[in-house]
Amino acid sequence: GESVGLHLPTLSVQEGDNSIINCAYSNSASDYFIWYKQESGKGPQFIIDIRSNMDKRQGQRVTVLLNKTVKHLSLQIAATQPGDSAVYFCADSDTGTASKLTFGTGTRLQVTL
Amino acid sequence: DAGITQSPRHKVTETGTPVTLRCHQTENHRYMYWYRQDPGHGLRLIHYSYGVKDTDKGEVSDGYSVSRSKTEDFLLTLESATSSQTSVYFCAISESREGYTFGSGTRLTVV
Repeated sequence: GESVGLHLPTLSVQEGDNSIINCAYSNSASDYFIWYKQESGKGPQFIIDIRSNMDKRQGQRVTVLLNKTVKHLSLQIAATQPGDSAVYFCADSDTGTASKLTFGTGTRLQVTL
Repeated sequence: DAGITQSPRHKVTETGTPVTLRCHQTENHRYMYWYRQDPGHGLRLIHYSYGVKDTDKGEVSDGYSVSRSKTEDFLLTLESATSSQTSVYFCAISESREGYTFGSGTRLTVV
């Protein structure tokens, strides 16, 4: 598996329940935010993104909420499935950073049957 | 992974030796990045490129150099490998900040 893991916060959720993964960011100038999913042995994969002019965006079974006042981002996964087990990262960027993303440290989601 | 290939996938090398990791893309994207991933740190940017022969440093660039002589290839070189550079290295490509695609990673062990 990947070297990421031993120091990660872990969220355990029962199959079928909803999951909420939280992320804090520090750059007040950030105006674009992304959630990535990383399965063991693979690179991160895009899940959903949101711009700072929005508070909420929905995808298939996933919703991202943005609270710019407290610089907080959350990812909600509805009806969590075993295939959702992975490490989830948030990332942010601002227009002055040449398309560079700054990543959070990640949260491991464990789905129990 | 969607037109991006990293090589090698695994490498073990000795302290003090130079090591080069390769990232190859077939998407003709402008931006290419090298990140390292370590426990407790998430993904940290080493270097990035915004065009052929145009590169810049990221937050953890010490001990690393990069080159981009063609649009499709971005090389990361560890000039003299140290144990602290044992990590998983990811390359990413994008045409804008909205379209990051990551490679499958290179696991490097420095002994």
